[in-house]
Amino acid sequence: DQQVKQNSPSLSVQEGRISILNCDYTNSMFDYFLWYKKYPAEGPTFLISISSIKDKNEDGRFTVFLNKSAKHLSLHIVPSQPGDSAVYFCAASATGTASKLTFGTGTRLQVTL
Amino acid sequence: DAMVIQNPRYQVTQFGKPVTLSCSQTLNHNVMYWYQQKSSQAPKLLFHYYDKDFNNEADTPDNFQSRRPNTSFCFLDIRSPGLGDAAMYLCATSREAPQETQYFGPGTRLLVL
Repeated sequence: DQQVKQNSPSLSVQEGRISILNCDYTNSMFDYFLWYKKYPAEGPTFLISISSIKDKNEDGRFTVFLNKSAKHLSLHIVPSQPGDSAVYFCAASATGTASKLTFGTGTRLQVTL
Repeated sequence: DAMVIQNPRYQVTQFGKPVTLSCSQTLNHNVMYWYQQKSSQAPKLLFHYYDKDFNNEADTPDNFQSRRPNTSFCFLDIRSPGLGDAAMYLCATSREAPQETQYFGPGTRLLVL
């Protein structure tokens, strides 16, 4: 049972436009969500997180939105840059689960010139 | 720079031949994790240490063991690798738990012949 789902395996966006990556979850106990970025041959790198007490968190070009009622979160990248081309993983954890992260399968973002 | 280091980056072993993967960290984090990631799949948590306390995931095969001799080092031992154990193995650390960002190493890609 996949509790964190990223239904789009890939996404292509032009440089300068907005990239929107989506993530859905099924476990209502999840209360902390993270996005990681992964380049080939490297480990995932933390990008941005959001606690369930918020519905938005912003860090520079990156904004994460959380819709708890829909069990949906999204990552917006504005403006997209070629260096943003990577695989993006959504992850979630629940308080009391000893920080266990449940990951989605990732979305490969390609930012084209 | 403080970081998570994994050695080797690539490991080739024979079917049934024990193999050990290594992880070290200079972050002085209390928690260390081992994940297995197969192609196009989400990273899957195998186990984690909170300080010296070992926490095994229920579905982690007995073939996988771990040791943490001190704060800085953690090892993943695969006692009898099968072809299905070929994967990327990711080590991660976090300062505390829960709801702490996890920092990943570059991973070790294991090939089983």
